[in-house]
Order: sequence, then C-alpha cells, then structure tokens
Amino acid sequence: AQSVSQHNHHVILSEAASLELGCNYSYGGTVNLFWYVQYPGQHLQLLLKYFSGDPLVKGIKGFEAEFIKSKFSFNLRKPSVQWSDTAEYFCAVSTSGTYKYIFGTGTRLKVLA
Amino acid sequence: GAVVSQHPSRVICKSGTSVKIECRSLDFQATTMFWYRQFPKQSLMLMATSNEGSKATYEQGVEKDKFLINHASLTLSTLTVTSAHPEDSSFYICSARGRTGELFFGEGSRLTVL
Repeated sequence: AQSVSQHNHHVILSEAASLELGCNYSYGGTVNLFWYVQYPGQHLQLLLKYFSGDPLVKGIKGFEAEFIKSKFSFNLRKPSVQWSDTAEYFCAVSTSGTYKYIFGTGTRLKVLA
Repeated sequence: GAVVSQHPSRVICKSGTSVKIECRSLDFQATTMFWYRQFPKQSLMLMATSNEGSKATYEQGVEKDKFLINHASLTLSTLTVTSAHPEDSSFYICSARGRTGELFFGEGSRLTVL
C-alpha cells in the first residue's frame, strides 16, 4: 500500500533560518506530489505541486521542493523563513491516473520572531 | 484559486441523531470530491471518493451505512453522519479536484456529538 512519511513532526526555527522538511513516499509507479500548508485556523492551501518535468518546483511564498525519484523523496525548502510561515505542512502523493491523495502526518513549524 | 465551501463549520448534536455536512465548489465544476477526517494532531484520513452521479467509493474500514455520501450535482457533495455517536466527533474536510488535478479544500466542519 502507498504511504507517505514526514520525518519531522515539530520544527522550531528562528526567523531568517533555512528550512528543509522531509517527505518520502512508497510507491513504485508514476506519482504526482504536493505540499499543502495549513495556517492556524485556516483551511489547507496548495504550496506547490509536481506532475512532471523539472524536478525542482517553485511554489508560492518562496517555497520550493525537489523531486528525487531515486530516493522517493519530495523535500520542501525555503532559504529564509519568516514568522508568518508558522503553520502545519503536509506532503501528499497521488498516483498518476487517480486523484486519491495520501497525506503524510504533517510537520508543525514554529518560527520565532 | 478555486473556492470550496463547507457548511456548517461547527455542529453539535445529540447522540443518535443524524448530521448533514455540505461541500460546494463555488466557482468550478467538480466531478470528483473527497471526504477526509482529521483527528487531533494527525493527518487527514481519506474516507471516501464522491463521484457525481454515481455511488461513492469508500476506503477500507469506513462504514458506508454510517457515512452517507451523495454527489447529486457538479458543485455539491454531502456527507451525512447517521446515528452519530461521541466517537464520530471529529473534523471533517472535503476537497474538490480542479481542472489541473490539484485539490482545493473546504474550511472543514467540526462535529461534536454529545
């Protein structure tokens, strides 16, 4: 069965620090990959997505993610975080041809001002 | 981006009653919608896939007779929790698939069963 692992459950950073959140999935076929963010009290919003092409994907608010097929990974990065990035981040995977998403357990990021 | 709206955002009901939650895609047509359940400090658990004009597809372990899903139009899917019990208390989230494949999420509905 497919699964998605997010290894960092809680991350605390100071403003201007660099961020990398890990995401690994288990599925041997073609996948679509997503990162969603949930700000406190708000609904899930799409940060970025990968369907095909350039494995380095740029999203909103300065976030980017790199798909490394050999490692089954899709890690999220941001060079310099801001206090407003405090939120919960979810990695999700869907297999090509289906629209059923499997979510990771989420990473709670707290950025200290 | 596309907007998905859920209603009600909060509902409290007595044990044994039924509760209906609506999910609407406001500015696009969605042939497929999904219902998730989110437990505290956990990820979203997919409950079922709702297909317009056909029966929903339920995930393993989800009781289809308890969680009735109807997708009667291209902009509306409903989840009815029948004979609710306290263990059904949770945060229910719907999503709709956009034209380019990504999901757009509703605000979620918090159900509390007394």
